[in-house]
Parts: sequence; structure tokens; C-alpha cells
Amino acid sequence: AQSVTQLDSQVPVFEEAPVELRCNYSSSVSVYLFWYVQYPNQGLQLLLKYLSGSTLVKGINGFEAEFNKSQTSFHLRKPSVHISDTAEYFCAGSGDSSYKLIFGSGTRLLVRP
Amino acid sequence: NAGVTQTPKFQVLKTGQSMTLQCAQDMNHNSMYWYRQDPGMGLRLIYYSASEGTTDKGEVPNGYNVSRLNKREFSLRLESAAPSQTSVYFCASSGLLQTGEQYFGPGTRLTVT
Repeated sequence: AQSVTQLDSQVPVFEEAPVELRCNYSSSVSVYLFWYVQYPNQGLQLLLKYLSGSTLVKGINGFEAEFNKSQTSFHLRKPSVHISDTAEYFCAGSGDSSYKLIFGSGTRLLVRP
Repeated sequence: NAGVTQTPKFQVLKTGQSMTLQCAQDMNHNSMYWYRQDPGMGLRLIYYSASEGTTDKGEVPNGYNVSRLNKREFSLRLESAAPSQTSVYFCASSGLLQTGEQYFGPGTRLTVT
């Protein structure tokens, strides 16, 4: 079955600390992978995407992610977080059809002062 | 360029009432989607329209109907609302068929009492 798994439902971290949000995908999911961010009471905004090429992908707001085919992972990282990064983050991958995305259940990043 | 717009932003219905959620995009995208978001469950696809004139069921279509009115507009109808349909509904669109990258609207928060 196609799936995208986010291993942590909530990640608390102090401001200016590094953070990693974990995402694993099933091998049946296409290699097109995405991270979206959802700020409170807003829609989803594309943070970054992996389509092909370099396995290290840089996105907006200082985030980056690394595609690891052997581990079927696409973890999101930021070296130093800000209070404003508090949000929910969703990992997603293309499914059996390029028309559809498979979403993980989300990880709530809580940045504390 | 407004992107993806949704109306209304909030709605309260009584059980058994009907309503239509409206979605429009101005990016000339071929594909459009309706999702629901519930706590801890990520986003689940209700219906999608790969192109104008076609609609298909997603993961959770029961209790919903859709209409792709034209290339810009994709509406979601609840014929007889149930408390289980209390959720936040997101519309999305995509113009990149090969990769599945989607752009989201701001959402409609629906409560069914």
C-alpha cells in the first residue's frame, strides 16, 4: 500500500536550536516528494519539493530536506528555528497517479522561547 | 493573482441540512481537488477532477458530491450533513501533471450540530 509516514506527531524545540522532522515513504510512492507548512488557521503552503537531481533540496524560510532512496526517507531540517516556525508540517508524495498526493499525518513543530 | 479561493470561510449546519462549498482558481490549472482535514489524520482526499469534465472519487467520498463547473471552478456539495462531516475542507489545484505539486486554498471550517 502507498503510504507516507511522519514518525513524530509533535516536536517541541527551543528557539535557535536545530530541528529535524522525519518522513518515510513507501517504495510504491513516486519519487516526487514535498513538504508543506500550515500555519494556524491557514491553508497549506509549499515549503520545498524533490523532483529529481540533487538529493539535498532547499526551500523557503531556511528549511532543507534530503532525499534518501536507500532509506526511503525525506527528512526536513532547519539549523536554527524561530518562534515563527511554529506550525504543522506535512510530508507528501505522488501516488500511483500524478494527479494525487499521499499525505503524512503531520508533525506539529512547537518552538519555545 | 489570487491563487485558490474558497467560500465560505466558516459555516455551521444542522444535521440534515445541505450546502455547497465553492472553490475557484485563477492559475489555469487542469486538476482540482477537495480534501478534508481532521486532527491527527492529515489530509484525506474526498474527490478530484483531473481535467475539466471529469471527476473521480478519492479516499473518503461518501456523503459528498462534486461538480467541475468549468476549468476554474470546482464545488463540493453535502446533500444531508452529518456530525461526522464536521471538519476543515481544503480545495487545491495542480497544473503540473508529472509531479503532482498542488496549491491550496485557505480552507472552510464546517461544523455540523
